[in-house]
Order: sequence, then structure tokens, then C-alpha cells
Amino acid sequence: DTGVSQDPRHKITKRGQNVTFRCDPISEHNRLYWYRQTLGQGPEFLTYFQNEAQLEKSRLLSDRFSAERPKGSFSTLEIQRTEQGDSAMYLCASTHAGEQFFGPGTRLTVL
Amino acid sequence: RKEVEQDPGPFNVPEGATVAFNCTYSNSASQSFFWYRQDCRKEPKLLMSVYSSGNEDGRFTAQLNRASQYISLLIRDSKLSDSATYLCVVNIPAYGGSQGNLIFGKGTKLSVKP
Repeated sequence: DTGVSQDPRHKITKRGQNVTFRCDPISEHNRLYWYRQTLGQGPEFLTYFQNEAQLEKSRLLSDRFSAERPKGSFSTLEIQRTEQGDSAMYLCASTHAGEQFFGPGTRLTVL
Repeated sequence: RKEVEQDPGPFNVPEGATVAFNCTYSNSASQSFFWYRQDCRKEPKLLMSVYSSGNEDGRFTAQLNRASQYISLLIRDSKLSDSATYLCVVNIPAYGGSQGNLIFGKGTKLSVKP
């Protein structure tokens, strides 16, 4: 499968724990985006990378959230001290010619 | 005013019906416009880009009105398989003219019934 992949697909954690998600974009795509989506809402932009540079971060991205893309390939999104309000689907997308290709998402449930 | 606004629906229509979705956006500097489709519990997928002159892809027609900051999607002869949520997407330009990031509407849910 040469699409965008995300790992894990599901994560259940207790409040206060740290979690890390991984996204592997389509190999020739140099832009990578992270979104959060809750039920009944569209995806909300969190941050994006051009190669390894993080170019923009949303106000939604509190200091408990950090994202990296150290070699310009895969990216990680870490949430520290998770809260119940962090429960959502976290989507990754990579871009080619303006079209965003989404991965299947990581569904996070914080108990 | 929200950056991208859509009627959430749901739109419940019979097979064969024509249905239209509307979307308004607030940033007059936006240059890129898209419609994405999202099936239940799946990731969004690009349905079509929206061009200034309007564009058509089979049963789907997208139109853009820059003066009114309004985008539409028309689906003709709707099929059961068209049932999904349709997301209006607009770019927020970044400094230096790059595309910046994309803002998604909340989506409009369509249910096509036999």
C-alpha cells in the first residue's frame, strides 16, 4: 500500500498519560499535515511541515502537543498529560499538487 | 463569521434526485477551493477541486462565486453510493504566497434513499 499510513489505528489511554502517534506520508510528498476531528465536525488543522520544517501551528495546538518530522519523512505527534477533551480522531495528510491524501487516522480515547 | 460555513443537513433525498450543497468562506484572499467526501468512520477523500469558471465531473458540478465568497456542489441523478458527508475546504494563504493551510467546513451529510 503506497498511501498514507498511521499507527496506531486506535489508542485508549488514561487521563494524564502521554501518547505518541506516527504518520508515514506518501514518499514523494514533501508537505505533511496533522488534523484533529471530533464527531460532527470537519477536520481541524493542527500543524504542517514542509520537509522537516514545521511551518505553521494552530492555536488549537497547546503546549501539551508537539509534532516532529526529523528527517522530512515520517512524522510523530505527541500529546503529554492527556485530557478527556483530547479524545478525537487524529488525521495525517500529505500533499501533492494541492490535493491532500489522508491516512486512516488514529482514534484516541482518553478515559 | 466562521471561516468556512456549511449547512450541516442531513439532506435526505430519493435516488435520482438532484441535490445542491452550499458553502461560504470568510477569507477573501483564499485561492484554492475543494470538495471532499467523507464516508462514515473513514478518512476524507478529494471529490473535486473548484475552479473559477466552474467545473463538472460526471454527475457532479462545482461552482465558485468569488464576489459572494460562495461555493456550491450539485449532484445530479443521486445514487445510494453518494450517501456520505461532503466537506467544503478552503485554503488560508500564508505569507509569501504559499498555499498555507486548509480549513474544512463541518460538512453536510447526505443520505440517499431507495
